[in-house]
Amino acid sequence: GQNIDQPTEMTATEGAIVQINCTYQTSGFNGLFWYQQHAGEAPTFLSYNVLDGLEEKGRFSSFLSRSKGYSYLLLKELQMKDSASYLCAVSHAHASGGSYIPTFGRGTSLIVHP
Amino acid sequence: DTGVSQDPRHKITKRGQNVTFRCDPISEHNRLYWYRQTLGQGPEFLTYFQNEAQLEKSRLLSDRFSAERPKGSFSTLEIQRTEQGDSAMYLCASSPVLDSEAFFGQGTRLTVV
Repeated sequence: GQNIDQPTEMTATEGAIVQINCTYQTSGFNGLFWYQQHAGEAPTFLSYNVLDGLEEKGRFSSFLSRSKGYSYLLLKELQMKDSASYLCAVSHAHASGGSYIPTFGRGTSLIVHP
Repeated sequence: DTGVSQDPRHKITKRGQNVTFRCDPISEHNRLYWYRQTLGQGPEFLTYFQNEAQLEKSRLLSDRFSAERPKGSFSTLEIQRTEQGDSAMYLCASSPVLDSEAFFGQGTRLTVV
């Protein structure tokens, strides 16, 4: 099976930097997604890491270490609108047919305050 | 709008009734996923289609759940003999190629009373 662990909740101040960690244990690992989900809305894609290292995309960056089963999402210059749930999802070969299926963690609720 | 479309957005049903949800993926996306999400949890995988073939199904999925994608375009998810524990948001997502970003619909919120 898959085990994906991320903090339940984090708080940060507007303008600051926050790092949301995700650790995973899975077989058939291929890559790791990060999604953002505002309350009552659908998840939206932020990043996908397949190789080790840091990928930067504007205010958001994502890091992956395959050997350590670890990833983080870094959010810079926080804005109030960044208050949302951040979902870590592991892409892995599914047990039955081998297709790559994203399996999600429970999400980290980020609260940005003034 | 060419995003993933789900219908209905909300459904309230009595326990024991059958319900069916529809998902229209982004056109030309041949991969389609169904997930279920409850409050405070991440989306839980239910089933996966590549074109019209249902290639993956969660082992946690009760036999009351069935999904189809008859022509490789839209998909339906049916829940028979609904139970209160089925109350959740049902999300559909599609992607163009293997192991790529999935685009989610707005979901169908099911309440079983």
